[in-house]
Amino acid sequence: QKEVEQNSGPLSVPEGAIASLNCTYSDRGSQSFFWYRQYSGKSPELIMSIYSNGDKEDGRFTAQLNKASQYVSLLIRDSQPSDSATYLCAVSNSGGYQKVTFGTGTKLQVIP
Amino acid sequence: DTGVSQNPRHKITKRGQNVTFRCDPISEHNRLYWYRQTLGQGPEFLTYFQNEAQLEKSRLLSDRFSAERPKGSFSTLEIQRTEQGDSAMYLCATVRGGSSYEQYFGPGTRLTVT
Repeated sequence: QKEVEQNSGPLSVPEGAIASLNCTYSDRGSQSFFWYRQYSGKSPELIMSIYSNGDKEDGRFTAQLNKASQYVSLLIRDSQPSDSATYLCAVSNSGGYQKVTFGTGTKLQVIP
Repeated sequence: DTGVSQNPRHKITKRGQNVTFRCDPISEHNRLYWYRQTLGQGPEFLTYFQNEAQLEKSRLLSDRFSAERPKGSFSTLEIQRTEQGDSAMYLCATVRGGSSYEQYFGPGTRLTVT
């Protein structure tokens, strides 16, 4: 079982729609969760962090965390063509190691 | 621009040659990570430093890879006797420290081994 799993996509949504990106993880002790955006040929850019169960909103982005289900998601409202990128989920490792594990990413395509 | 810089941005080398990459972190960030990323994959952990101490190295990393962070400032990643399978993007990320896990990435170094 992969430690952090994401659907590779591509996920295609029309401009103005809500894009929903999902991630599951296997480490029950994980406490910190992140979403990174990565444009083709570029490095990952941190867009959201979430640490507690529930929702966290930042502009058009909402991160949702459910530790009991080991599930974290990212919603992008009013999707724009500039949101087209690969979105990486990252989860902190428990056990005293100051590391995160990345998923393989979901490619999002916003169709004008 | 996160404030993390990496050099060179691109490196083309022949199989068997040694290469060295450099990462300059955000000044107040005391943790520094190296990752490798290939097409269609997420960043794969290689090693990390807390100040000048190398605290962990991936078991997947062969002895051809070595990293240093003298004086807890910039870091270098060296690959000896490069192989075609080493072709990838090499990413450096830094963290402020303490309980934070928020990583800020440099632009990466793309290595092509011919």
